[in-house]
Amino acid sequence: DVKVTQSSRYLVKRTGEKVFLECVQDMDHENMFWYRQDPGLGLRLIYFSYDVKMKEKGDIPEGYSVSREKKERFSLILESASTNQTSMYLCASTQSRGAGYTQYFGPGTRLTVL
Amino acid sequence: SQQGEEDPQALSIQEGENATMNCSYKTSINNLQWYRQNSGRGLVHLILIRSNEREKHSGRLRVTLDTSKKSSSLLITASRAADTASYFCATGAGNNRKLIWGLGTSLAVNP
Repeated sequence: DVKVTQSSRYLVKRTGEKVFLECVQDMDHENMFWYRQDPGLGLRLIYFSYDVKMKEKGDIPEGYSVSREKKERFSLILESASTNQTSMYLCASTQSRGAGYTQYFGPGTRLTVL
Repeated sequence: SQQGEEDPQALSIQEGENATMNCSYKTSINNLQWYRQNSGRGLVHLILIRSNEREKHSGRLRVTLDTSKKSSSLLITASRAADTASYFCATGAGNNRKLIWGLGTSLAVNP
């Protein structure tokens, strides 16, 4: 079974802190994604990566950056956390070919910025 | 960007009843997928239907796709309390690795 893990289930940070959210997948998937999920807004894509050191902006990249130094790991960075970044953050991965790009999700990180 | 729109936004039924939720989308697709999300957790893939398919079954799930109407429906038969969750549709197109997500239907199955 594909396994996608996220470093924390719950995280509380203060405004202005630098925040790192880590995601690891064990299925050698090329593509990895970071979403945020807010009530009434569904899943919104922040960034995705289709290869090591490659990244592409999603729909709401402002205030975020990402890092993918190894194929299995995709990090989301909040350079200076703000209260409007309080949200559920979901990581997902998918292989490049076949399977209709079915996405496999981690359990999510609920981030609260005070 | 959101393409799919699920309908209804919320659904409450009794255990044993069938639950039907719908998804509409706007552009051409290669496939349409349904996912389930239990409260506060990640999403789990349920079923994928390709654009050249009209109906697909998996256990108690039945998915239909009408590309002429750009719509899909997910039927859960003989629902159980454990089916309580949010259900999302997502569409894939061409070689685009990204999926386009709907806003979800919240299903409550009452024991």
